Amino acid sequence: DAKTTQPNSMESNEEEPVHLPCNHSTISGTDYIHWYRQLPSQGPEYVIHGLTSNVNNRMASLAIAEDRKSSTLILHRATLRDAAVYYCILRANSGYALNFGKGTSLLVTP
Amino acid sequence: DTGVSQDPRHKITKRGQNVTFRCDPISEHNRLYWYRQTLGQGPEFLTYFQNEAQLEKSRLLSDRFSAERPKGSFSTLEIQRTEQGDSAMYLCASSLQGYTEAFFGQGTRLTVV
Repeated sequence: DAKTTQPNSMESNEEEPVHLPCNHSTISGTDYIHWYRQLPSQGPEYVIHGLTSNVNNRMASLAIAEDRKSSTLILHRATLRDAAVYYCILRANSGYALNFGKGTSLLVTP
Repeated sequence: DTGVSQDPRHKITKRGQNVTFRCDPISEHNRLYWYRQTLGQGPEFLTYFQNEAQLEKSRLLSDRFSAERPKGSFSTLEIQRTEQGDSAMYLCASSLQGYTEAFFGQGTRLTVV
């Protein structure tokens, strides 16, 4: 499976935008980029996914580089409830398993 | 339907005992997954069901582990002769075929003493 690289941790102030980076230089043409997050003492929660084009939903935006070797999850206004571990995951369209890695632990301060 | 339900939420067992966990997926979801998560790590894939058929098992799933999904509804994960290394959070997820999003339960935390 293609691998992703994320910073171990990031910190943000409340109500400010957060840009969470992910490198995936060995991504293949059929790999979708998925983001999940895991709040403390909870199971993971789907955030967003994309293939080539930037994507927006009610939770976040996903910006995908033109060469697809990196992507950025954007939280437009961080709240204290956004403090979680964020996982960037590659999965082929025909795949089913999610390979989580260690993710980025996001700390949001008031 | 309130989501994926797992039971029990916590289990403490003595080494060598057998344990069984239950997962009730979202009712119309035909895909079901089990993952294991140890402290400080992301979840690791264990096994996958489509309806009642177990289609994939990770190398992590040793002979002491067995999972079933009778009638394609709820699933059970059994660990025989538990070892201290089995201590982890066991997560269940479900999804609908053709849809990307997987929904996770809150997990069963197993402690082997």
